[in-house]
Amino acid sequence: DVKVTQSSRYLVKRTGEKVFLECVQDMDHENMFWYRQDPGLGLRLIYFSYDVKMKEKGDIPEGYSVSREKKERFSLILESASTNQTSMYLCASSLGQTNTGELFFGEGSRLTVL
Amino acid sequence: GQNIDQPTEMTATEGAIVQINCTYQTSGFNGLFWYQQHAGEAPTFLSYNVLDGLEEKGRFSSFLSRSKGYSYLLLKELQMKDSASYLCAVMDSNYQLIWGAGTKLIIKP
Repeated sequence: DVKVTQSSRYLVKRTGEKVFLECVQDMDHENMFWYRQDPGLGLRLIYFSYDVKMKEKGDIPEGYSVSREKKERFSLILESASTNQTSMYLCASSLGQTNTGELFFGEGSRLTVL
Repeated sequence: GQNIDQPTEMTATEGAIVQINCTYQTSGFNGLFWYQQHAGEAPTFLSYNVLDGLEEKGRFSSFLSRSKGYSYLLLKELQMKDSASYLCAVMDSNYQLIWGAGTKLIIKP
């Protein structure tokens, strides 16, 4: 069964802390994505990657960075967490060289920044 | 700008049929997706339409009209487990997904 695993389901951090959100997929997918999901809004793309060591900014990259050192792992980093980054973070992966096809999502990481 | 509109919330009765609409305005079109998301869980893929018409998959069907910028998801023989949010997403000319805010479907016995 295909699987996208996010390291933490729930996190509580303080303003200014550095936060790492890890995502691992076991499907050998080329494409990986980080979204945030907030009530009343559609999923918003933060960063994505089509290959190892490659990253592209999405719609809302400010305040975030990413790392993809291995094909199966895509990490989201909040260098200095702020309260407006309190959100649900969803990692997803898909097959293929272009952004087509079905997305497989992780269970999400709910981050609260105090 | 790019925009996906779908109702915020709908209520239906167990055993009935419900239609969830999605209208879109995007820069180009490379397909429309429907995902289901139960509360506290990951979204899961339901359907993909790139050509006009109806795609049927068991109790769920999805329809697309590209000329009208319109799609709907039809759920038949509703079950309590169908209570979830349904997300509409359109792939634009840059192969980027534009997401609607989702429709929360409440099923009553």
